[in-house]
Amino acid sequence: NAGVTQTPKFRILKIGQSMTLQCTQDMNHNYMYWYRQDPGMGLKLIYYSVGAGITDKGEVPNGYNVSRSTTEDFPLRLELAAPSQTSVYFCASSYGGQGRYSNQPQHFGDGTRLSIL
Amino acid sequence: GESVGLHLPTLSVQEGDNSIINCAYSNSASDYFIWYKQESGKGPQFIIDIRSNMDKRQGQRVTVLLNKTVKHLSLQIAATQPGDSAVYFCAELGDLGNTPLVFGKGTRLSVIA
Repeated sequence: NAGVTQTPKFRILKIGQSMTLQCTQDMNHNYMYWYRQDPGMGLKLIYYSVGAGITDKGEVPNGYNVSRSTTEDFPLRLELAAPSQTSVYFCASSYGGQGRYSNQPQHFGDGTRLSIL
Repeated sequence: GESVGLHLPTLSVQEGDNSIINCAYSNSASDYFIWYKQESGKGPQFIIDIRSNMDKRQGQRVTVLLNKTVKHLSLQIAATQPGDSAVYFCAELGDLGNTPLVFGKGTRLSVIA
């Protein structure tokens, strides 16, 4: 299994451009997540999905959109890139959620480093 | 502000010594905690987790301790090796139980050979 695969690994955008960060997983996980990580900071949740066709906002969703048409794929869309969106983006997946009756740690991809100039 | 925080942003230890990485949390209703390791240029990697009905859990060379009274979590690494050099994050469940994890800022562990 490849696990969680993110593409591209690096990208430079100009202000106002748009792009889609791709994420795919081959573990048949129901839950998928997008995080951003700014230098010296922890991970901030952007969006997550508990299954195909279902998405929900996380802590910092503004400026981003997601879709979940299949179990495997969870692309993240930036419509109008802004310098504040310069960050490292991580996609993750888990079989179930993390909760009182479950024990499903998240598996992470290696990230997409995005710079907006 | 952050609901999960760390006492020390950096920690340097001698190879072979034990490492202790600390984490404070503010949500007294949190009942699930995870430690992740992040090596340079990589995504976080699951190390160990613990539920609030336990105060200690052991893995291979790692032990997590949970003190609910003072809302404190620690990760102990025995016989620290150069390969342990990384940033370590603690994470807790969000306020609504099954919502995704809330991550702290991380502690950078440097192992001195």
